[in-house]
Amino acid sequence: DAKTTQPPSMDCAEGRAANLPCNHSTISGNEYVYWYRQIHSQGPQYIIHGLKNNETNEMASLIITEDRKSSTLILPHATLRDTAVYYCIVSRYSGNTGKLIFGQGTTLQVKP
Amino acid sequence: SAVISQKPSRDICQRGTSLTIQCQVDSQVTMMFWYRQQPGQSLTLIATANQGSEATYESGFVIDKFPISRPNLTFSTLTVSNLSPEDSSIYLCSAPGGPYGYTFGSGTRLTVV
Repeated sequence: DAKTTQPPSMDCAEGRAANLPCNHSTISGNEYVYWYRQIHSQGPQYIIHGLKNNETNEMASLIITEDRKSSTLILPHATLRDTAVYYCIVSRYSGNTGKLIFGQGTTLQVKP
Repeated sequence: SAVISQKPSRDICQRGTSLTIQCQVDSQVTMMFWYRQQPGQSLTLIATANQGSEATYESGFVIDKFPISRPNLTFSTLTVSNLSPEDSSIYLCSAPGGPYGYTFGSGTRLTVV
């Protein structure tokens, strides 16, 4: 599975959009981009995933560049409860058929 | 999505002893995963537990230290054996959570003294 690179930390003002970048320059054609977050050492929580098209759900949007070498997770209106470590993971599998390998993630601090 | 019950939530153990962690999923799943999260670090995959076969361990993890059982499609245990202070970590289990994504247990915080 391809490796990802994320900034170690980011700040965001409450109510503003949080844009979390991820580089995955060695991603291959059959690899998906997953985003998870972990709040206060709880179990990680699934946010969103995609292959090559942009995706949106009730939590966030995922923008994947055309060459698929990078992506951005967007939390449209960050709240204090969005303070967490966000993990970008690239995996060959989807639909619950493979393992997730976590990198170091980005610590997002949402400030009042 | 699937719900995982993990226990114990925390424990303090003497060095040289063992701790067994249990995870129960509310639906049948083909694979379950065990992770370790050392203080201030990210999650590291220990092994994949498949029902009816031996677990598959990641590099750096061995069965003698981390024996895993998977007696049916809803349950798995991880034992951390011959405990040392370096084993003090959070241990988490994970399983497919539905059409997309994976669900995680709430974690077991282990302190070895």
